[in-house]
Amino acid sequence: EPEVTQTPSHQVTQMGQEVILRCVPISNHLYFYWYRQILGQKVEFLVSFYNNEISEKSEIFDDQFSVERPDGSNFTLKIRSTKLEDSAMYFCASSEVQHTGELFFGEGSRLTVL
Amino acid sequence: SQKIEQNSEALNIQEGKTATLTCNYTNYSPAYLQWYRQDPGRGPVFLLLIRENEKEKRKERLKVTFDTTLKQSLFHITASQPADSATYLCALRSGGYQKVTFGIGTKLQVIP
Repeated sequence: EPEVTQTPSHQVTQMGQEVILRCVPISNHLYFYWYRQILGQKVEFLVSFYNNEISEKSEIFDDQFSVERPDGSNFTLKIRSTKLEDSAMYFCASSEVQHTGELFFGEGSRLTVL
Repeated sequence: SQKIEQNSEALNIQEGKTATLTCNYTNYSPAYLQWYRQDPGRGPVFLLLIRENEKEKRKERLKVTFDTTLKQSLFHITASQPADSATYLCALRSGGYQKVTFGIGTKLQVIP
């Protein structure tokens, strides 16, 4: 069964460093997302991406964040200068159909900022 | 502001009984309401979707109801099993938008 894959599964970084989280969405999906979940809290929307551009973003997704689809398969989230409060699980998701839009999630990348 | 409310306290239920989880929302006109399952340390897994013009949807032992007047969805698991123990997330999506917004989830514990 096709699945969304994410790397790395866990990354530890120093505050102020740049981090890139990588995702390979399901191959025939057209809509891509990043969510994050701080420990014990809800799954929060960061950004959605369609047709090579951001379609929606939340207030959390400020200038330190960026997304890119550098080739036909990868979808990346870059955090330019990490802060302690960026420590969370980051989930990539993809969706085939916009309007019903059930999301298929990866297993997540756990980011720990020291 | 838009809010999705789920009972964040754990729900404990005896094996074989029906578990009922509640999702209430305010300041929202969702076109689609979705339910996901999340196990500890893992990504959410899609379970069921119901549209605003549907009252009820079933899939195997799962049933979802959607009342747009009450602004509420109920999620039922019949003949519950210990393997159903997980956190269940309610999620809303407005028509014409990609963003899916999640509630905090309700943790279900099925006791053998």
